[in-house]
Amino acid sequence: GENVEQHPSTLSVQEGDSAVIKCTYSDSASNYFPWYKQELGKGPQLIIDIRSNVGEKKDQRIAVTLNKTAKHFSLHITETQPEDSAVYFCAAAETSYDKVIFGPGTSLSVIP
Amino acid sequence: DAGVIQSPRHEVTEMGQEVTLRCKPISGHNSLFWYRQTMMRGLELLIYFNNNVPIDDSGMPEDRFSAKMPNASFSTLKIQPSEPRDSAVYFCASSPGQSNTGELFFGEGSRLTVL
Repeated sequence: GENVEQHPSTLSVQEGDSAVIKCTYSDSASNYFPWYKQELGKGPQLIIDIRSNVGEKKDQRIAVTLNKTAKHFSLHITETQPEDSAVYFCAAAETSYDKVIFGPGTSLSVIP
Repeated sequence: DAGVIQSPRHEVTEMGQEVTLRCKPISGHNSLFWYRQTMMRGLELLIYFNNNVPIDDSGMPEDRFSAKMPNASFSTLKIQPSEPRDSAVYFCASSPGQSNTGELFFGEGSRLTVL
C-alpha cells in the first residue's frame, strides 16, 4: 500500500520568512496529492492540491510542486504569518475520489 | 451547511466498555471516511464507504472495531471491548464522491480516552 513520508516534523520560522515542507510517496499509481492544515482542536482542512499532470500550482502565498519521477512533492509558504502556525499534512491517493493516505505531519510555528 | 457533525466530542470510559462514535456527513456527499489520529501513528485511515457501502476496511485494527453506515446521513464506529491503546482522536470526513475535486471535509473529531 501507499506510504507517505514527510519532513521536517517540526519547523520554526520568523514571520515573513518562507517555510518549505517536503514529502515522498511510495506508490507510483498515486496521482492526487492534497495538503491539509490542522489547527489546534479542529479537523484537518484542505489548503491546496495538485494532480500528476501538473508540476506546480500556486494559490496566493502557497505553492506546491510535484516531481512524479522522483516521487517527491513539496509545499512552499511565502511571507509567513502567525496564523500560518498549525500542523500541515501532505497526502497521496490514486484519484481524487479514492482513499487518501496522510503523511505524519509537520508542526509549523511562525514567530512574530 | 453545518458541516460534518461528530458525537460525542469527548468520551472517557473504562477498559472493557463498549464505545460508539457517531457521524453525520454533509448532505449530498457520497463518500465517508473514518480516521484515527494519535501522536505516534498520525492520521490513519480506518475504513471508508462509498454510497453507504464499505469499500476498504483494511485499516481497521482488529475485530474489536466495527463500522456501519445504515443510510446516507449516518455512520457509527464501534469499539467493543475498548482498550487503553484505543485512546485517540477519531475523525469522520465526507466527500462529494467521484465527480468532486477530492476535498475531504472533516468533523471536529471525537476524543476518546480509555482508562
